[in-house]
Amino acid sequence: EVQLVESGGGLVKPGGSLRLSCAASGFTFSSYSMNWVRQAPGKGLEWVSSISSSSSYIYYADSVKGRFTISRDNAKNSLYLQMNSLRAEDTAVYYCARVLITGGDAFDIWGQGTMVTVSS
Amino acid sequence: DIQMTQSPSSLSASVGDRVTITCRASQSISSYLNWYQQKPGKAPKLLIYAASSLQSGVPSRFSGSGSGTDFTLTISSLQPEDFATYYCQQSYSTRFTFGPGTKVDIK
Repeated sequence: EVQLVESGGGLVKPGGSLRLSCAASGFTFSSYSMNWVRQAPGKGLEWVSSISSSSSYIYYADSVKGRFTISRDNAKNSLYLQMNSLRAEDTAVYYCARVLITGGDAFDIWGQGTMVTVSS
Repeated sequence: DIQMTQSPSSLSASVGDRVTITCRASQSISSYLNWYQQKPGKAPKLLIYAASSLQSGVPSRFSGSGSGTDFTLTISSLQPEDFATYYCQQSYSTRFTFGPGTKVDIK
């Protein structure tokens, strides 16, 4: 079964750091670009960051650029998001999502999400 | 960044109704437009990619159309399991952006 499972969320104080992980299974992880997408409570979806299959291309939303770092380990079938200098507005459910190879970069597989709460 | 808008922001409909949701991009995105369905507490689910291609396993009552800046998601006959929030997303730019969502609830 094709699956993405996020972990690493939790409660952190403003200014703190957190590292999210996304474990992939059921497909050839190294062949796919991956993304992080977040959703603040009661709000819509916000794309956060993307990384190509070989890590050659990396992009960030302006809201997280300079604070968040996306990375991947293809040998471990894992995607990561290092989040530093966290702010209250970073509070959200964070999803990892796979890019559909044949479909104009749509996100075809999503994890269940991990909650990040930034609060003192 | 490319801005996405959706209309309406919400709608009430009955089972069996034909429902149409519109998405507009702030600049031409060719056919790089995707539609997702999200139910409360769940991850989004891909319905339509590249403006009009039905994702595998998605019922044929869902369809998409459009190109350039104006796009439409149509549900031909609304079913009880279709009550959800629908988001469009552009994948023309490497800085992907989502629309604000359209909530479809029961009339």
